[in-house]
Order: sequence, then C-alpha cells, then structure tokens
Amino acid sequence: GESVGLHLPTLSVQEGDNSIINCAYSNSASDYFIWYKQESGKGPQFIIDIRSNMDKRQGQRVTVLLNKTVKHLSLQIAATQPGDSAVYFCAENSQTGGFKTIFGAGTRLFVKA
Amino acid sequence: NAGVMQNPRHLVRRRGQEARLRCSPMKGHSHVYWYRQLPEEGLKFMVYLQKENIIDESGMPKERFSAEFPKEGPSILRIQQVVRGDSAAYFCASSPPSGRGGTDTQYFGPGTRLTVL
Repeated sequence: GESVGLHLPTLSVQEGDNSIINCAYSNSASDYFIWYKQESGKGPQFIIDIRSNMDKRQGQRVTVLLNKTVKHLSLQIAATQPGDSAVYFCAENSQTGGFKTIFGAGTRLFVKA
Repeated sequence: NAGVMQNPRHLVRRRGQEARLRCSPMKGHSHVYWYRQLPEEGLKFMVYLQKENIIDESGMPKERFSAEFPKEGPSILRIQQVVRGDSAAYFCASSPPSGRGGTDTQYFGPGTRLTVL
C-alpha cells in the first residue's frame, strides 16, 4: 500500500485565513518530501519541498514543516486566497524506495470568499 | 522555456485499440516519469526512464503497457489492446540530470486523459 496518507480529505477555509494541510508517512527512510497543488483538469504543480535534514522551509505564503519523530508533514498557506482552491498532494521519496515518488491521496481545499 | 509537453491532451479509444501517449520533457531534463491518476485519487507511479534506458518499471502492468524514451524524440507510453479499466489521466514528469534520480523535483505536464469506450 501507499506509505503516504492524509488526515483530512477536504478542508474549507475562509478567504484570508491560514490553511494547514497535514500528511502522515510511514517510511522512516524517506528523505525527500514534496507538496504539489493540482487544479481541476491540470497536472500537479510543484509548491515546495523539504529534505529530511531540515524541519522547516518557507516559501512565498507557504511553509512546510517536517516532524520526523512522528513521521508527519504539513503545508501551511498564509492568507488563503480563492486561487488556492485545489487538491494538494504530499509526496515522498527515499533512496531505499528506489526511484518511485509515492503520492498521498490528496486533500481538497475550498476557499470561501 | 517551455514546460513539460504532453499530447494528445484527450484521447478516445475503443476496446482493443492501441493508445500512444507522448511526453516531451523540459529542456535540459533527461529523466522522465509516467504516472496514472484515477478520478479523486492520487498519482500512481508507473515507470521511470532516462534516455534509452528504463530505470524502474515496477509500477507498470506487465502486460499491454510499455514505455520508451529514445535518444531523439519524446517519451512514449504505449498501451496495447486497451480495456475500459485503462481509462484515466496519464501524467508525465521530468527532472534534471542528478545522481539522486527520483529524489529530484519533478515537473509535471498537463496530462493525457484517456477514455476507452
């Protein structure tokens, strides 16, 4: 089965609020994690990544947090906008896992205006 | 700098026909990956290729499916004798040359949506 899963399949937030999307992974050997955004009818779009030697990484309005102790990954979106509405996937990769990138099931984010 | 290109964007086939999906990676990228996605589901890895080599095909069905990435031209995912269960979105991704292979950031194309009648 998949080694990456998500706690919440859907998330609804008010425009301007912060969003937090969570992800759990089971392979303790995973050393590279990526968040993708997928809008309807489009391919996944890279948002941000983090390697296992870090526990936090920030981008523009997005922050990824990695907690290796509990094998948990989260994506925080600040000041969520209607354009952020999409499905968000976490993905993981490890050298021991070969070259496959394992995707989680996804969380659908709804932003209410 | 063009992104990953896939064509066709939509493909309709009848059961038993062949489907050929094409992927042109980003300029300078030599690693190509194919994924399959069913509605409301995540992406499932199928195959990872470098130029003229299949590196990992563990996610690809043993029968009817094949992939190639020739020295010249796009990568091709070929599905022979399609069945209704093959209906899905097929995404291609590419990444730059690296010693870490699949641990590099992958950039996705817009996908090909295959419908088998």
